[in-house]
This record gives sequence, structure tokens and C-alpha cells, in this order.
Amino acid sequence: AQKITQTQPGMFVQEKEAVTLDCTYDTSDPSYGLFWYKQPSSGEMIFLIYQGSYDQQNATEGRYSLNFQKARKSANLVISASQLGDSAMYFCAMREWNSGNTPLVFGKGTRLSVIA
Amino acid sequence: NAGVTQTPKFRILKIGQSMTLQCTQDMNHNYMYWYRQDPGMGLKLIYYSVGAGITDKGEVPNGYNVSRSTTEDFPLRLELAAPSQTSVYFCASSLDRAGPEAFFGQGTRLTVV
Repeated sequence: AQKITQTQPGMFVQEKEAVTLDCTYDTSDPSYGLFWYKQPSSGEMIFLIYQGSYDQQNATEGRYSLNFQKARKSANLVISASQLGDSAMYFCAMREWNSGNTPLVFGKGTRLSVIA
Repeated sequence: NAGVTQTPKFRILKIGQSMTLQCTQDMNHNYMYWYRQDPGMGLKLIYYSVGAGITDKGEVPNGYNVSRSTTEDFPLRLELAAPSQTSVYFCASSLDRAGPEAFFGQGTRLTVV
């Protein structure tokens, strides 16, 4: 069963607007972490933001925030005030802490295009 | 510059050839990882290491081998290359188990023909 689901293969957003990238996850482990990475066309993977399953507050990092809804098992990434440089692939990932030394499991990604 | 360095950036192999992808990090991270990314997909873990001398299989280890003789280096060996190994390979490192793989290398684009 797929552990991370990103249902939006591609998204468009106008420059300076906010955009939400969806991510749902599946786990029975009560302890886990959720991550978002950005992959620009140059190919490198850039860590954006992290949310732990026990964190009470939604994580924020500059223009990035993670809308964590634990009961719905969703961890959507919100980018505020989109910039042309935000055009990239975005990957949601999860790690389960109690299942041994488990690696990050990635979703298939969402391609975001920011339009001027 | 501090970080994770992968070499080479690009490589074309013929079927049956072997090669080693190099990965080194200068952050004294214990945890290192090798991922592959197929077109239109997220990353899948090939092998990982929690410290020098310790390695373990990830989700897709077949056709690969690794070693970790030092904290800094984590080479990935492809034996008898097959077209199915055409992919982009990423090395990553993290300080400990609890952290994200916040540091990725630039990737190696490998084509097997």
C-alpha cells in the first residue's frame, strides 16, 4: 500500500499568490515525521520543512508552512507569496520512528509552475 | 563548501559493465543513504549506513553493493549494469536517525545502454 500520496501531478499558481500542495499519508506507527523537499530543474533535492507527529504546532519556515491534520492524515505544504523561483517538483516524504531504522518514503511529487 | 559530493554527474554504461558511484560528506554525519529516482517518481532507498562498517539494504538493493570504511565515504557499486538501472542516483546524509536527510548530493544521471 502506498504510504505517501500526492494527488496533484501538476499545479499552476500566479506569482505572489499562495498555493497548497496536497499530501496524505498512511501509517500505524504513532511516531513519525513528515518532510517536504523541493527539486528544481537542476535536479538537487532541497529540504524545506519538517513536522513531527507529536508536534502541537504546524511547522513554518519562512514562506513555507505545513498544514498538519493528524486525524485526516494529511500534511499539506502551503507556499505563500509564490515566486518564479518556486517552480519545481515538490516531494512529500515520511519516516516512521518505531519501525526500526526506516528510511524516508517519498510520494511521486507535484510539479509546481509559477506564472508571472 | 561543506556538504555531500557525488561523482560523476553523468555516466553512460554498456550492459554488463560495472562502475562505482562515489559519495563523500564532510559534516561528520553518521547516517548516509543512496537513493534512486526513476522518471516521474519519488526517491527509493537502495542502501543506507548508520556508521562506519555498518550498512543495510533499503527498498531496492538488487544489483548494487555498498561499503562504509570511513565516516566520510559511502560508495555505491553497480555490478553487471542493466537497462533497469538507468536512473538518477542521489547520495544523502544526516546527523542522526531523527533528522531528515537534509543534505543531498547533486545526483548522478546514469544511462545503461
